[in-house]
Amino acid sequence: QVQLQESGPGLVKPSETLSLSCAVSGGSISGYYWSWIRQTPGKRLEWIAYISYNGNTNSNPSLGSRLTISIDTSRAQFSLRLRSVTTADTAVYYCARTTRLYWYFDVWGRGALVTVSS
Amino acid sequence: DIQMTQSPSSLSASVGDRVSITCRASQNINNYLNWYQQKPGKAPKLLIYAASTLQSGVPSRFSGSGSGTDFTLTISGLQPEDFATYYCQQSDTNLYTFGQGTKLEIK
Repeated sequence: QVQLQESGPGLVKPSETLSLSCAVSGGSISGYYWSWIRQTPGKRLEWIAYISYNGNTNSNPSLGSRLTISIDTSRAQFSLRLRSVTTADTAVYYCARTTRLYWYFDVWGRGALVTVSS
Repeated sequence: DIQMTQSPSSLSASVGDRVSITCRASQNINNYLNWYQQKPGKAPKLLIYAASTLQSGVPSRFSGSGSGTDFTLTISGLQPEDFATYYCQQSDTNLYTFGQGTKLEIK
């Protein structure tokens, strides 16, 4: 079955850029939407953005222009870049498959802890 | 943003009990409501989507109900593996939001 795996640095300095990738295996990246979701140290879940297999995107306005999400279907992966990070961006970042119509997250990666600290 | 409020925030119960968790939306979300279970150190797992549709592979002791602003997740006959944190998530708008979570603990 489909599996997702996040990868990227676990420590980012304030004001720098957080970059994560999610590799999709065991199934096709095409035909689906793919999201990033983060969980704060207080356990609150926050949806960040999604990207479709053909590049359509939607993102949380709270992250403003700091966010870039991209997809590479040839490599079966999608990526997140969050610029100008602060300590408030410290979280576990999950990638998840997103099913249209009811927009639920039915397959999740194991999560990647990203700490923003100098 | 649509605010999602779960109650209670925590709940103690025993194996075999029937428990219910409530999720209230700050505005009408029709049936665009999904439920997840999360165990410590693990990613959330989808249980129910569209308010009442059981995800494939999820035991039938889990059920969901509601529409509009008020929703309920019910677990009938708690099993040891059900002690976890549960989250609701609305998808009625393009900005998906989650409830704050309900931690279900063993009494």
